[in-house]
Amino acid sequence: AQSVTQLGSHVSVSEGALVLLRCNYSSSVPPYLFWYVQYPNQGLQLLLKYTSAATLVKGINGFEAEFKKSETSFHLTKPSAHMSDAAEYFCAVSANWGAQKLVFGQGTRLTINP
Amino acid sequence: KAGVTQTPRYLIKTRGQQVTLSCSPISGHRSVSWYQQTPGQGLQFLFEYFSETQRNKGNFPGRFSGRQFSNSRSEMNVSTLELGDSALYLCASTSDGEGNTEAFFGQGTRLTVV
Repeated sequence: AQSVTQLGSHVSVSEGALVLLRCNYSSSVPPYLFWYVQYPNQGLQLLLKYTSAATLVKGINGFEAEFKKSETSFHLTKPSAHMSDAAEYFCAVSANWGAQKLVFGQGTRLTINP
Repeated sequence: KAGVTQTPRYLIKTRGQQVTLSCSPISGHRSVSWYQQTPGQGLQFLFEYFSETQRNKGNFPGRFSGRQFSNSRSEMNVSTLELGDSALYLCASTSDGEGNTEAFFGQGTRLTVV
């Protein structure tokens, strides 16, 4: 079975500061890991995905994440926060590459302070 | 290429009624998954349909059901609505083709049960 834990339901950073959103996973099989972003009253948009190729994954909008098997982590980072990054972020795991059945973390709401 | 379309966007129903939500996947995508999003439980997988067959199922009561048509459009039905069914219902489509795939989400249907 797969599960995901996102540390911190709310994260607040200043504009221009580093963004770090934490995600730890549990999986009985090699996992496929995803980060999604959700803006108010919208669906989910994929930021990036790990599918066992490179451990450092680059996504859209300047985000990246590093898969660390020894730490069972897949933290999301962005060097410099922008006001438009304010949203809710979800880490998800899937047992298969098709992402048809995703198990999500509880989400982290990111606030950007001017 | 059109995205995933969910209708209606908003719905208000009375406890005890039933409701049907619709999802049209991206053209060519054959897999449709449904998720329920609530503030308390977060994002939870309901079920997945592929080629008109339910392929995966989450841990929801039998009041929640779905189906998929030959054109890959999917509907989900909730019978005997309860207040706790108030949620954002998201559907996602994947191509289920070879290689790595991404789940594309619709904007969701916001169901309010009163």
